[in-house]
Amino acid sequence: EAGVAQSPRYKIIEKRQSVAFWCNPISGHATLYWYQQILGQGPKLLIQFQNNGVVDDSQLPKDRFSAERLKGVDSTLKIQPAKLEDSAVYLCASSLPGAHPEQYFGPGTRLTVT
Amino acid sequence: GQNIDQPTEMTATEGAIVQINCTYQTSGFNGLFWYQQHAGEAPTFLSYNVLDGLEEKGRFSSFLSRSKGYSYLLLKELQMKDSASYLCAVRGAGNNRKLIWGLGTSLAVNP
Repeated sequence: EAGVAQSPRYKIIEKRQSVAFWCNPISGHATLYWYQQILGQGPKLLIQFQNNGVVDDSQLPKDRFSAERLKGVDSTLKIQPAKLEDSAVYLCASSLPGAHPEQYFGPGTRLTVT
Repeated sequence: GQNIDQPTEMTATEGAIVQINCTYQTSGFNGLFWYQQHAGEAPTFLSYNVLDGLEEKGRFSSFLSRSKGYSYLLLKELQMKDSASYLCAVRGAGNNRKLIWGLGTSLAVNP
């Protein structure tokens, strides 16, 4: 079974530039999550999708972050414009709905904003 | 508010046993997870507890007491490869079942 795929793995941009991350979840996983993980901290949920609908985006800084999952499979997360404090690893995870609670994580995208 | 506490760092010796504690205060409870995260890698699932008691899986065991808001992860026969961060996460109430994550415990296993 293929795992969660993410790209790019690394990205370096200057502040005020834009960046986009891509995620392809495990086939059949209806729930998709985007997390931000700052070095030395636990993951922070940015947005959760159930199929192509948003379930929770309460911690998404909507003035600069946006995410979509138009066809209920792949998802993109965009930051525009980036700030220095956005430097972090952006993790995508997916899970089956209902009684299968385990989240499977992708390798993450390490973003450095200079 | 919602809060998860776990020690920041722990050190243990190869072959020994280590217990990593996690206490939580959350609005609603639908299970507690332990994940392992090696440096530079994504978290990987270790265990899930939703009922009180001990769940054993090979060298790793996880315990839950819902009345005390307490869990621990027990690692036996430590190996060097167990050096990693161990994340405690609680699944909250509501339809979205959001995970609330602790900051992680960085475990160093020394020879």
